[in-house]
Amino acid sequence: SQTIHQWPATLVQPVGSPLSLECTVEGTSNPNLYWYRQAAGRGLQLLFYSVGIGQISSEVPQNLSASRPQDRQFILSSKKLLLSDSGFYLCAWSPQGNQPQHFGDGTRLSIL
Amino acid sequence: GESVGLHLPTLSVQEGDNSIINCAYSNSASDYFIWYKQESGKGPQFIIDIRSNMDKRQGQRVTVLLNKTVKHLSLQIAATQPGDSAVYFCAETTNNNDMRFGAGTRLTVKP
Repeated sequence: SQTIHQWPATLVQPVGSPLSLECTVEGTSNPNLYWYRQAAGRGLQLLFYSVGIGQISSEVPQNLSASRPQDRQFILSSKKLLLSDSGFYLCAWSPQGNQPQHFGDGTRLSIL
Repeated sequence: GESVGLHLPTLSVQEGDNSIINCAYSNSASDYFIWYKQESGKGPQFIIDIRSNMDKRQGQRVTVLLNKTVKHLSLQIAATQPGDSAVYFCAETTNNNDMRFGAGTRLTVKP
């Protein structure tokens, strides 16, 4: 069966520090991969998605970036975090085509 | 612009009653719809989906209804249990890479 792992579960970072969140998927190949951000009490905002290695589409302008160095690895990064980057970050995967997206358990990021 | 929204932000039901959570969407081109359940501190969990060529789909204790005429989606939970307490999101998409989520409805089940 397929599983998705995100780490760390929680992270506290100072303003201006770099960020690297990692997501890996097991049990499938060539998945679509997604990064979302969820503000408290709100829905999910799509940040990036990838349909293959090295292919990244950005949905919103921001100081975050994403990379997919391997088929089942998706990384969310920032060179300098802002206070507004605080939130709950979720990684998801889906098979190709219109199929359900399956989410990891997220990383709660707090910027001080 | 196009949006997905929910009629009610909160819903409180008695244990054993049926729950109905509603969702409106505005993109008439959407052809795939999903309901997710999110418990506190966790990622959304897939519940059930429906494609636009159907108007009803049933799972275990859950039923999704799709009314394309009025662009309305609902999730019915039969015999609601305390473990059903969570935030429920609807999502809609045309090609899975533009999936849009509603703000969510918080379901509280009273014992």
